[in-house]
Amino acid sequence: AQKVTQAQTEISVVEKEDVTLDCVYETRDTTYYLFWYKQPPSGELVFLIRRNSFDEQNEISGRYSWNFQKSTSSFNFTITASQVVDSAVYFCALSEATGTYKYIFGTGTRLKVLA
Amino acid sequence: DAMVIQNPRYQVTQFGKPVTLSCSQTLNHNVMYWYQQKSSQAPKLLFHYYDKDFNNEADTPDNFQSRRPNTSFCFLDIRSPGLGDAAMYLCATSRAEEGETQYFGPGTRLLVL
Repeated sequence: AQKVTQAQTEISVVEKEDVTLDCVYETRDTTYYLFWYKQPPSGELVFLIRRNSFDEQNEISGRYSWNFQKSTSSFNFTITASQVVDSAVYFCALSEATGTYKYIFGTGTRLKVLA
Repeated sequence: DAMVIQNPRYQVTQFGKPVTLSCSQTLNHNVMYWYQQKSSQAPKLLFHYYDKDFNNEADTPDNFQSRRPNTSFCFLDIRSPGLGDAAMYLCATSRAEEGETQYFGPGTRLLVL
């Protein structure tokens, strides 16, 4: 069965600390896609990254980096030198190659960055 | 800029009074989705359109209907809103390709009195 687990419900850090948000997924497909979204208090889901199952290269975008490890079925997200503006709920999502285009969302991690 | 637009951003309705939420997109995407998101929960897919083909989720109540008159617009109709329907409603679009990214609008927050 497909599933996405974000075990951390809420994380609080002090500004400038690094923080890692965990995402563990389950799927029987060999082809699948993983996503991270940010949802600030305004409510819009902002797309951050998409990764397909054949590309295990880690990615860095400014202060954001992602670690994809198929061996542990994890796609973790690290924010370096966190800022107050990073405070949001972050969702990890899985899409399988089923032709339905649907996402399976994790339950989200609320990140609070304190000044 | 290409985008997904939702109107209104906030909607107040009365218990049992029909309400319509709208979504438009300038991305020219084939697929449009409606999600319901309650506080501290992940978005829950209600239905999606692939072009004009409507795909309802099995657990979406009959109270929720949708229309897609053309590629750009999609509407969510709640025929008789109950207190439990108060939520954020998110519209999203994507291309009709495997694993495509969904792009979300800002959402409409619905309050039922």
